[in-house]
Amino acid sequence: QSVLTQPPSASGTPGQRVTISCSGSSSNIGSNTVNWYQQLPGTAPKLLIYSNNQRPSGVPDRFSGSKSGTSATLAISGLQSEDEADYYCAAWDDSLNGVVFGGGTKLTVL
Amino acid sequence: QLQLQESGPRLVKPSETLSLTCTVSGGSISSPSYDWGWVRQPPGKGLEWIGSIYFSGSTYYNPSLKSRVAVSVDTSKNQFSLRLSSVTAADTAVYYCARHIQRAVAGYNWFDPWGQGTLVTVSS
Repeated sequence: QSVLTQPPSASGTPGQRVTISCSGSSSNIGSNTVNWYQQLPGTAPKLLIYSNNQRPSGVPDRFSGSKSGTSATLAISGLQSEDEADYYCAAWDDSLNGVVFGGGTKLTVL
Repeated sequence: QLQLQESGPRLVKPSETLSLTCTVSGGSISSPSYDWGWVRQPPGKGLEWIGSIYFSGSTYYNPSLKSRVAVSVDTSKNQFSLRLSSVTAADTAVYYCARHIQRAVAGYNWFDPWGQGTLVTVSS
C-alpha cells in the first residue's frame, strides 16, 4: 500500500493529451514539492518533473506537472508511442521523515 | 556527465546480509550540495526508498527498513554502500543508487541521475 495514490493504468491514442493523478496528504504533497519519474520498459527510472512543475534539461515540453493542495497531476500532450512507460510520483513526507512514492501508473499508447 | 554504477553479489541467502556498492564517476561524492540514496523495486512492483547519506556520513532511512539498513560512504573511492541485514525473499528486488538532491527544510527532494540497477535475489 503506497503512501501516494496513483491510478494503476492510463491510456491514450497518439496525439492525445493524457493526465495522471497523484493523491497524498498534508504531510507529503500538502507541504512539500512533487516529482515525477518515467520508467521505460527494462530501464532505470528517469527524472521527468521536479519541484511540482520543473522540467530537467532534455525533457520535452509536452510533459508538464502541477500541484493543488494534497494532489498533483502529470500531463502529457501530443502523446507519442515512445511515451509508453510506467510513471511514478514522489514527495518528502514530514511524518515519516523520508521519501514516499506512488504505486506507479502504466501508460499505454493505443 | 555524472554516472552511477551498482555492484555486488546478485544472490544472497535468507537471513544473511545484502551488500551493494555504488561507484560515482564524472563528479565528486564529496560535493556539499548533494546526498546519495538507494531505491529498490521488487519484480513487477513499484519503487521504495531505502535510505540516503550525506558525504559527511549523516544518514536517514525508511522507517520500515531502519532496523536492518546501513548506508555508508567512502569519499576516497567516490563510492557509497548499502548493507541490508537478515534478508528474506521479500527483499528480492532491483536495487538502484542515485544522486539525491534534498532540502527537507525547503520541501524539495528528487533523485537524478540513477544507476542502471542491479537485481539481487534472496534464495537458498
